[in-house]
Amino acid sequence: RKEVEQDPGPFNVPEGATVAFNCTYSNSASQSFFWYRQDCRKEPKLLMSVYSSGNEDGRFTAQLNRASQYISLLIRDSKLSDSATYLCVVNANSGNTPLVFGKGTRLSVIA
Amino acid sequence: NAGVTQTPKFRVLKTGQSMTLLCAQDMNHEYMYWYRQDPGMGLRLIHYSVGEGTTAKGEVPDGYNVSRLKKQNFLLGLESAAPSQTSVYFCASSRGTAGRGYTFGSGTRLTVV
Repeated sequence: RKEVEQDPGPFNVPEGATVAFNCTYSNSASQSFFWYRQDCRKEPKLLMSVYSSGNEDGRFTAQLNRASQYISLLIRDSKLSDSATYLCVVNANSGNTPLVFGKGTRLSVIA
Repeated sequence: NAGVTQTPKFRVLKTGQSMTLLCAQDMNHEYMYWYRQDPGMGLRLIHYSVGEGTTAKGEVPDGYNVSRLKKQNFLLGLESAAPSQTSVYFCASSRGTAGRGYTFGSGTRLTVV
């Protein structure tokens, strides 16, 4: 089983739609969780951290389910500018080990 | 406020040539990383460093060497380039733990012919 698995998509949604991405991770000892956004031919950029209690940042909501080893990202009221690849990111073990990146889910928001 | 700077941005090498990619960060971060990104493969860790003078292997270290002589710089070397090393290379840095995420450079696009 891969360490971090994501549906590659693409997800093609109309402007204003709500879309959700899921991610599963294999290491139950993982402590840190993030969603990154990567635009075409650009570097990944941190979108948001994911906390056990769930957290929201504007139109974006992240959830963590430790029992199922599952992370989600919900985007409400999608904008054309949300079109990008969304990377699920987990640290491989507890402590200061390097982050492991999922292969990403591609989102296209269509006018 | 430069963050993480990678040089060069683009490079074409012939098979067997050598080159060094430079990563510089001005955020006083302890940890630095080199990743490669290939279509369909996602980001894969090549080498990383947890402080000045230290290096460690990542998932795909073969064919690469690194050095961290100064805290702000992390160099990635290819001694004898191969076409399989054609990729986009990203450098990243972090403050100390993974808890705050990474800051990435804008990448180096390397083609080996």
